[in-house]
Amino acid sequence: EDQVTQSPEALRLQEGESSSLNCSYTVSGLRGLFWYRQDPGKGPEFLFTLYSAGEEKEKERLKATLTKKESFLHITAPKPEDSATYLCAVPHPNFGNEKLTFGTGTRLTIIP
Amino acid sequence: DVKVTQSSRYLVKRTGEKVFLECVQDMDHENMFWYRQDPGLGLRLIYFSYDVKMKEKGDIPEGYSVSREKKERFSLILESASTNQTSMYLCASSRGRGWIGELFFGEGSRLTVL
Repeated sequence: EDQVTQSPEALRLQEGESSSLNCSYTVSGLRGLFWYRQDPGKGPEFLFTLYSAGEEKEKERLKATLTKKESFLHITAPKPEDSATYLCAVPHPNFGNEKLTFGTGTRLTIIP
Repeated sequence: DVKVTQSSRYLVKRTGEKVFLECVQDMDHENMFWYRQDPGLGLRLIYFSYDVKMKEKGDIPEGYSVSREKKERFSLILESASTNQTSMYLCASSRGRGWIGELFFGEGSRLTVL
C-alpha cells in the first residue's frame, strides 16, 4: 500500500529561522509529488508539483526538492504569514489525480 | 480567477437527517472529487467523477452517495447522517482522467452531526 509520511507533525520557528519539512513516500514508480498549503478552516492551495528525482522548484521563501525516497520543503527566512499546514501527496502509479495518497501534514507556526 | 465553490461553509444536522453538500467549479474540468479531512487522518477520498453521470468510489464511500448531472456541479449526499460523519468536507476539481497536476480545492464545508 502506498504510504506518505510527513515530519515533523508540528514545527514552531522564530521569524527568520530557516528550516525544512520532510515528506517520505513508499510508492514505486513515482509519477509526481505535490505540495499544498492549507490555512486553518480553508481548502488546500497548490504550491508545487515535482516529477523526477533531482528536480527543484521555488516560490518566494519556499523551495521544494525531490529524491527517490523523499521530498523536502525548505523555508528560508520565514515570515508569520508562512504559518499554515503543509501537505504533500503522491498519485497511485497507475492513476492520475483520481487516486492520491496525502500525508497528514506539518503544522508550521512562525513566531514574530 | 479559477474557482471551486462549496455551497455551505458550516452545517449542523441531526442524526438521521439527509444532508446535501453542493460543489460548483467554473474551470470546465472533467474530474471532480469529494474528500473528508479529519485530524490525524489527512484527506481521504470519498468519491470522484470523471464525467457527467459517472462516479467512482474512493477509499471511504460507505454512508455516502454522489450526483453529477452537469459537468460543473458535483453533489455529495449523506442519506442518513451519523455522528461519525462529523468532519470537514472538501470538494476539488482537476482536468481529465490520468491528469497529474494541480487539484483545485473549495473552501470546505464543516459538518457537525448531533
